[in-house]
Amino acid sequence: KAGVTQTPRYLIKTRGQQVTLSCSPISGHRSVSWYQQTPGQGLQFLFEYFSETQRNKGNFPGRFSGRQFSNSRSEMNVSTLELGDSALYLCASSRGEGPFTEAFFGQGTRLTVV
Amino acid sequence: GDSVTQMEGPVTLSEEAFLTINCTYTATGYPSLFWYVQYPGEGLQLLLKATKADDKGSNKGFEATYRKETTSFHLEKGSVQVSDSAVYFCALASGSARQLTFGSGTQLTVLP
Repeated sequence: KAGVTQTPRYLIKTRGQQVTLSCSPISGHRSVSWYQQTPGQGLQFLFEYFSETQRNKGNFPGRFSGRQFSNSRSEMNVSTLELGDSALYLCASSRGEGPFTEAFFGQGTRLTVV
Repeated sequence: GDSVTQMEGPVTLSEEAFLTINCTYTATGYPSLFWYVQYPGEGLQLLLKATKADDKGSNKGFEATYRKETTSFHLEKGSVQVSDSAVYFCALASGSARQLTFGSGTQLTVLP
């Protein structure tokens, strides 16, 4: 069974640009969550999508947005990039229904803003 | 709000030593508790979990018991290996919110 796939693995962008990251969840999983990991702030929750709807949102500015497609694949977009957006962005996949019991993570996308 | 406090690292042990990484939490209701491991350059791997009080999660020789009375979920392993060197994260999920709240992580280095 394939795991969670994130693309690309690495990205370098310039301040002011925008970026789109992609995540394909485990087959049968309908919930996709996104997290930002930085040395200073650790792991922080960005948002969760289920059945193409944002169901939960963390405390990030509106420059961070996402969407989910009918096949459960998700994309995350960051507009007007800032140096502080440099981070490892992790996607997590879970069933999304019933009690939350576990989430499986992809390998992440390493974003560097210069 | 929910929070997780982990033992400060880094932790350096010799091979075959006993490992304990402390984790305590604050949460409303009855959260589910998790340990994740992150190897260099990789994402997070679920190591073990416990969904109710007194449950013991175990995997690959690692164990943790959900202690509601002390709000703790300490990770233990009887004999660590060099291959266990990684960063370990304690996390919780509570209520209807399908999000994980993570501790700050503990870097473990095991020397041969």
